[in-house]
Amino acid sequence: NAGVTQTPKFQVLKTGQSMTLQCAQDMNHNSMYWYRQDPGMGLRLIYYSASEGTTDKGEVPNGYNVSRLNKREFSLRLESAAPSQTSVYFCASSDFRGNQPQHFGDGTRLSIL
Amino acid sequence: QKEVEQDPGPLSVPEGAIVSLNCTYSNSAFQYFMWYRQYSRKGPELLMYTYSSGNKEDGRFTAQVDKSSKYISLFIRDSQPSDSATYLCAASSGYALNFGKGTSLLVTP
Repeated sequence: NAGVTQTPKFQVLKTGQSMTLQCAQDMNHNSMYWYRQDPGMGLRLIYYSASEGTTDKGEVPNGYNVSRLNKREFSLRLESAAPSQTSVYFCASSDFRGNQPQHFGDGTRLSIL
Repeated sequence: QKEVEQDPGPLSVPEGAIVSLNCTYSNSAFQYFMWYRQYSRKGPELLMYTYSSGNKEDGRFTAQVDKSSKYISLFIRDSQPSDSATYLCAASSGYALNFGKGTSLLVTP
């Protein structure tokens, strides 16, 4: 029972480098989400995918792109990393958007120098 | 201003105490309410899920929603050191989940 799996767990990048964060869920959920969590800011939604084949912007989408590869996988890409993107990134999934609980992975800790 | 507000704490209590964690929200359309627990360097873990007003109990945990005052509470009875974590409340109208910033709880032996 893996739930939501995120890779990598840790990463250090230099400013301007690109990186893709991977997320996979094995709960047959329709909706998937990417959040970032910063001290004093709480969880902020970057992008979400309500169902396979759709993606939409959340609260803080600038500097990120996403791909819903299939029902299980949802990736987050930083095309040109900036120090302001240093954060802990969480992927989550749920049956449907909105009224269903979201289940989270254990995060990717990303530092950009 | 966030639609769900939560005092960040930290809150420190002795083992065995009753803990009360609270959130307020501003959107009267919210009907679904959740509490998550997050241990250090881990992802949030769902603790309680309630619909509309009322109480829900699960072991030592009780979630309470008062829609008239837009107030969400989580009570922890007989608190244990293993309850030391950050607790996040969340609310939804059925469209998007809105999180509070979390309250840090420390239960001391």
